[in-house]
Amino acid sequence: AQKITQTQPGMFVQEKEAVTLDCTYDTSDPSYGLFWYKQPSSGEMIFLIYQGSYDQQNATEGRYSLNFQKARKSANLVISASQLGDSAMYFCAMREGGAGANNLFFGTGTRLTVIP
Amino acid sequence: DTGVSQDPRHKITKRGQNVTFRCDPISEHNRLYWYRQTLGQGPEFLTYFQNEAQLEKSRLLSDRFSAERPKGSFSTLEIQRTEQGDSAMYLCASSARTGLNTEAFFGQGTRLTVV
Repeated sequence: AQKITQTQPGMFVQEKEAVTLDCTYDTSDPSYGLFWYKQPSSGEMIFLIYQGSYDQQNATEGRYSLNFQKARKSANLVISASQLGDSAMYFCAMREGGAGANNLFFGTGTRLTVIP
Repeated sequence: DTGVSQDPRHKITKRGQNVTFRCDPISEHNRLYWYRQTLGQGPEFLTYFQNEAQLEKSRLLSDRFSAERPKGSFSTLEIQRTEQGDSAMYLCASSARTGLNTEAFFGQGTRLTVV
């Protein structure tokens, strides 16, 4: 089974509007961390936000927030007040505790296009 | 600090040739990772170094692949006898520590095309 599933290959959003990018995960490890990265056309992966499995509150970083629903195993990224520079690929990733703690598992990504 | 640096940015090679990529991590980051990203996919873990020790290797890393990190600084990834299926973006990342919430800093990648 896929550890990270991103079901939206592409999303469009009007500039200044909010957008939600979906991510579901699969793990039996009670201890894990969830990440969102942005990958512009230049190629580098840019860290956006982190959510730990034991965190009680949803993570927020500026215009980014993570809608963490543990029972549903979902960790959706919400981008508020979209800007043209937000157009990029967005990847959800997970790190599990234990022996696999060094490895990040990535989803297939969502391409976000911000329309002026 | 200029971030994680990878060289070259692009490489085109003929099938059967050997290629070597270099990664310079953020200084003082003792953990280094290699990932491979094929078209339309997310990055897939290849291998991990802590200082000069290669502590973890994915089964994606076939016998034709070898990675080194002499002296615990820069790292090289060599692919021998390249195949068309090796065409991908090879990403390097580094971090200062390990742990669930450890952010990995990525380079811009080396895009390999095998013709």
